[in-house]
Amino acid sequence: GENVEQHPSTLSVQEGDSAVIKCTYSDSASNYFPWYKQELGKRPQLIIDIRSNVGEKKDQRIAVTLNKTAKHFSLHITETQPEDSAVYFCAAPGKASKIIFGSGTRLSIRP
Amino acid sequence: SAVISQKPSRDICQRGTSLTIQCQVDSQVTMMFWYRQQPGQSLTLIATANQGSEATYESGFVIDKFPISRPNLTFSTLTVSNMSPEDSSIYLCSVEDQSRNSYEQYFGPGTRLTVT
Repeated sequence: GENVEQHPSTLSVQEGDSAVIKCTYSDSASNYFPWYKQELGKRPQLIIDIRSNVGEKKDQRIAVTLNKTAKHFSLHITETQPEDSAVYFCAAPGKASKIIFGSGTRLSIRP
Repeated sequence: SAVISQKPSRDICQRGTSLTIQCQVDSQVTMMFWYRQQPGQSLTLIATANQGSEATYESGFVIDKFPISRPNLTFSTLTVSNMSPEDSSIYLCSVEDQSRNSYEQYFGPGTRLTVT
């Protein structure tokens, strides 16, 4: 069935350090993996995504890697800043255009 | 990406009553979805709102409790019926970006519902 697992549930890093969030998925046919950032009281915002034809994608300080064999993908944030503090959700596609969300990671950046 | 609005942004309702939430998009979209996000939790899909036909509900959600309308390609409503405190949550609509033939979904600002 469709399942997305995400960890850790909480993550605290020193400002300037890197943060890594990992997700696994169950459906080997999945081919699209988005990441959403949700700040307190705001809507989830799509920040980066990766498709199954590439293994890595970067956008400034954020990057996503994909291992299709192991069925896991990760979000990497380098040189973390206070504005990176938020809840991050990974997701993978289910049937009929729906997407299945992970349980979320609350990232805190310590000054 | 599409501009999505929701009304109301928040409401406080008494148990046993119903609330209808509206979702408006500034462009025509094929796929619209309704999610629930309970405090401190992830997003749970309630249903896919289909234009011209009945919504497709996920396991654990039924039409009698969450009736959905989709009269055209830019608008949908979700009703939370016979509310109880357990229905207190944020309700979000989302749309799929068709322009790049992708799964990219964008969310409305959400409706914060408190049931007393």
